[in-house]
Amino acid sequence: AQSVTQLDSQVPVFEEAPVELRCNYSSSVSVYLFWYVQYPNQGLQLLLKYLSGSTLVKGINGFEAEFNKSQTSFHLRKPSVHISDTAEYFCAVRDTGTASKLTFGTGTRLQVTL
Amino acid sequence: DAGVIQSPRHEVTEMGQEVTLRCKPISGHDYLFWYRQTMMRGLELLIYFNNNVPIDDSGMPEDRFSAKMPNASFSTLKIQPSEPRDSAVYFCASSPISGGATNEQFFGPGTRLTVL
Repeated sequence: AQSVTQLDSQVPVFEEAPVELRCNYSSSVSVYLFWYVQYPNQGLQLLLKYLSGSTLVKGINGFEAEFNKSQTSFHLRKPSVHISDTAEYFCAVRDTGTASKLTFGTGTRLQVTL
Repeated sequence: DAGVIQSPRHEVTEMGQEVTLRCKPISGHDYLFWYRQTMMRGLELLIYFNNNVPIDDSGMPEDRFSAKMPNASFSTLKIQPSEPRDSAVYFCASSPISGGATNEQFFGPGTRLTVL
């Protein structure tokens, strides 16, 4: 079984500042990792994913994440945020076997202000 | 493609009533997932199907909840009888076949359920 910990429930940041949203996972097997974003009153949409290969993954809207196997982390970063990035961000993990079940973290609310 | 379609978008009902939530997955997707989102518990997987067959229903809270997928293009989540603690946003998601694929899940807009 896997688990995901998002260490920050809320992250306030000023527009154009950099941001990092933290995600740590626990698993006894190899995993795939995902970041999803949820805008107000909408469903979740995929930001980026790590399957294999380069540990630095680039996603949509200027976000990127780095897979660190030794620290079991998959932190999400953006060098300069915009007001429109205000949303809830979810880290998720699944094992690389045949099961399709994703395990989500509890989410981090990113609040961008002027 | 229209994406995952859920109906209704909002549902308000009284305790004890039956509630049926509906989902149409993206055409060609083999997996369908039902999630519940609350402030207290976050996003919880309730059940998922592969090729219309329930694979894992360990997240279904109790016998009042049931889910069906009679065909590849339609699924329902039923709560009978409903209780105030069932109030939440219920999401449906679908995913293409796994076995080496990305397994990205595509989410619907959700159904906001309020049980009075």
